[in-house]
Amino acid sequence: AQTVTQSQPEMSVQEAETVTLSCTYDTSESDYYLFWYKQPPSRQMILVIRQEAYKQQNATENRFSVNFQKAAKSFSLKISDSQLGDAAMYFCAYGEGPGANSKLTFGKGITLSVRP
Amino acid sequence: EAQVTQNPRYLITVTGKKLTVTCSQNMNHEYMSWYRQDPGLGLRQIYYSMNVEVTDKGDVPEGYKVSRKEKRNFPLILESPSPNQTSLYFCASSLLGGALGGPGELFFGEGSRLTVL
Repeated sequence: AQTVTQSQPEMSVQEAETVTLSCTYDTSESDYYLFWYKQPPSRQMILVIRQEAYKQQNATENRFSVNFQKAAKSFSLKISDSQLGDAAMYFCAYGEGPGANSKLTFGKGITLSVRP
Repeated sequence: EAQVTQNPRYLITVTGKKLTVTCSQNMNHEYMSWYRQDPGLGLRQIYYSMNVEVTDKGDVPEGYKVSRKEKRNFPLILESPSPNQTSLYFCASSLLGGALGGPGELFFGEGSRLTVL
């Protein structure tokens, strides 16, 4: 079974600084997708960024970017110019390719706090 | 507005009293799923549905039932709730296969906080 590991339960960053959240996963598949979801105190799950395993180029979305290392099965999220609104729980998630049930396997999450 | 709507948002009930958490989406998504979120465990899939009348178990289906009689609705049923089902529940939907052929972006409801005494 696929597993997703987020080993750091909590992290803190100074406003305007850069922070990297770590995620590793385990799979025997070659075709899969990786996601980072943000869960603010409102509990709403918000998609931050998505990466296709077949793409070598790392995904970016404004201040959010990933470092995808397929051989190492590593998928870290970098948040640049951190803002107070970035404070939330962040979940790394794994999903498989076409034909799969679209199920996402989530990590346990990491709580990010932003210091003003 | 595209959304997934869950009700109730908060519920306190007692052991054994049947309850249903409703989920409805207005995006014509084929795929719908239920997850539960527990501290230190992340989100775990309970059941999913690929289309009307097609449902299957996720990772933690024990104690739950679902039905998919209409494309837009996917209720979660707890026939005899127990305290270990106290949790935060999320319904989610997506296009089957997604725009890029992989799992589509999951759109989540706002969550239902269930407490079973």
